[in-house]
Amino acid sequence: NAGVTQTPKFRILKIGQSMTLQCTQDMNHNYMYWYRQDPGMGLKLIYYSVGAGITDKGEVPNGYNVSRSTTEDFPLRLELAAPSQTSVYFCASSYSRGAPNEQFFGPGTRLTVL
Amino acid sequence: ELKVEQNPLFLSMQEGKNYTIYCNYSTTSDRLYWYRQDPGKSLESLFVLLSNGAVKQEGRLMASLDTKARLSTLHITAAVHDLSATYFCAVDATSGTYKYIFGTGTRLKVLA
Repeated sequence: NAGVTQTPKFRILKIGQSMTLQCTQDMNHNYMYWYRQDPGMGLKLIYYSVGAGITDKGEVPNGYNVSRSTTEDFPLRLELAAPSQTSVYFCASSYSRGAPNEQFFGPGTRLTVL
Repeated sequence: ELKVEQNPLFLSMQEGKNYTIYCNYSTTSDRLYWYRQDPGKSLESLFVLLSNGAVKQEGRLMASLDTKARLSTLHITAAVHDLSATYFCAVDATSGTYKYIFGTGTRLKVLA
């Protein structure tokens, strides 16, 4: 299993540009999450999904959108990038039935908005 | 709104010493998770605590959960340099929703 994969690893955006951060998991997990981690800080939940077709807001959803058309994929869309969105973005997944529901994290995408 | 607080935020300790990291949370939850993050890396799961009184141990790390006090501890025994990392606790924001709120993190540095 590759686990949770994220692309790209690094990206620099100009203010006002848009982009999609990709996240894929091959563990057949039903729950998926997007977090952002600012330098020296903890993780903030942006959006999460409990299954294909179902998404919900986390703590800091403004400026982002998500979709979940398949179990495996959970892309995060940034519209009109702003410097405040400079951060490291982590995707995670977990399994909600039976198992302890620990989250498995991807390697992260480091985004800089200039 | 659920708040998850860890203390200390920074911890510098000598090899061979013992110390405890505390994780307090503000609402009822019976699920608590501990993660480790090395500098510039992603997070990896350390412990899953699923009930009051749960205790888990792995090597020099031991985690416990007191749901009545809304407190979890991560105890480090005889620290070694390889334990240097940032440790996060995470709590299920509303029991059973799997919407996790992370603590602020404790940055641990073990000095040789």
